[in-house]
Amino acid sequence: DAGVIQSPRHEVTEMGQEVTLRCKPISGHNSLFWYRQTMMRGLELLIYFNNNVPIDDSGMPEDRFSAKMPNASFSTLKIQPSEPRDSAVYFCASSRRGSHNSPLHFGNGTRLTVT
Amino acid sequence: DAKTTQPPSMDCAEGRAANLPCNHSTISGNEYVYWYRQIHSQGPQYIIHGLKNNETNEMASLIITEDRKSSTLILPHATLRDTAVYYCIVRVGDNNDMRFGAGTRLTVKP
Repeated sequence: DAGVIQSPRHEVTEMGQEVTLRCKPISGHNSLFWYRQTMMRGLELLIYFNNNVPIDDSGMPEDRFSAKMPNASFSTLKIQPSEPRDSAVYFCASSRRGSHNSPLHFGNGTRLTVT
Repeated sequence: DAKTTQPPSMDCAEGRAANLPCNHSTISGNEYVYWYRQIHSQGPQYIIHGLKNNETNEMASLIITEDRKSSTLILPHATLRDTAVYYCIVRVGDNNDMRFGAGTRLTVKP
């Protein structure tokens, strides 16, 4: 099993540009989570999906952030327009909902730098 | 979800047992205790979880008090590679959102 795959690993962009982060969950997992991590705020849950449907997006900081899950094997987190304060490491995680107490499996993250 | 309280940092000597405490005094009857760790710059890694009974796997042991208001993660023989931030989380078992606190930064020293 390849685990949760995130791309790119590093992204450097200028303020105002659109940024798209990508995630491929573990095959067979039907829940997907997006987290953001900064020194100041720690690890924050942004949004999570069950069976490709967004369940709770209360952690999404602003309308500039959007997430989609068009199918069971792919999700994107988009920031448009990006700002320097969006600089952080973004993690994607997946789990098997309905399987008793299935833990989350995390990817290695995307380090985003907005200049 | 119930909140958890963990000490911000701990040290442990290499080869000794590391005992990481967690308080979750408002835990509900259907909430499980999960432990994850995060080694610098990597994604969090699942360690172990439990409901009432003590649990053990190849990585660690989890001791939950009878009233379930606190728990302890035990790394029986800590190595330098166990240096990480350890997170204790409680959540309902059916895959609701999982929210991380500040965790405990464990430093294993030679």
